[in-house]
Amino acid sequence: DTAVSQTPKYLVTQMGNDKSIKCEQNLGHDTMYWYKQDSKKFLKIMFSYNNKELIINETVPNRFSPKSPDKAHLNLHINSLELGDSAVYFCASSQLPYEQYFGPGTRLTVT
Amino acid sequence: GEDVEQSLFLSVREGDSSVINCTYTDSSSTYLYWYKQEPGAGLQLLTYIFSNMDMKQDQRLTVLLNKKDKHLSLRIADTQTGDSAIYFCAESQSNTGKLIFGQGTTLQVKP
Repeated sequence: DTAVSQTPKYLVTQMGNDKSIKCEQNLGHDTMYWYKQDSKKFLKIMFSYNNKELIINETVPNRFSPKSPDKAHLNLHINSLELGDSAVYFCASSQLPYEQYFGPGTRLTVT
Repeated sequence: GEDVEQSLFLSVREGDSSVINCTYTDSSSTYLYWYKQEPGAGLQLLTYIFSNMDMKQDQRLTVLLNKKDKHLSLRIADTQTGDSAIYFCAESQSNTGKLIFGQGTTLQVKP
């Protein structure tokens, strides 16, 4: 049973398009996160939701919009994709304040 | 401010011990974590330590925490080729769970 799953695993798209990445966790956790890993492997938090409420919103372009329909899901929608958005996006979940478990990542390539 | 620093690269011979070091700045962090990332894979939680502990041992892994110097280390005993990966140190904010990651240390294990 996969604890934190993301779809798709790979996403290749052209500049200007709009795309979504989906995340689901079956751990019963109350908090979910999105992180971005750049080409130098640096990881930085983007957003976090606790019980469907936004609690972390780092300095991220407003082309990125997270949506949490319920505690087990956190989706990331990206409008007007740019070359610089190419990265690996990781979803994670935790039961605050304890450890976070990460999904397998979505590799986004913008051409 | 929030900052976590790690050395970028470590090379050891199979069977030797590896020690990966990390320094952090936020003294209010409740938990400190070590994650492992193999090529093309997600982040695997290796171990963590609560901020009121000095040491934690888990099979081949030993975590040492020096709170005064804000220094964290991960020792891997009897390092194997399967341990080759990037190791990330992270500190967390207890109220939001936000993880601040170091740059990652690439561990190369030579046979």
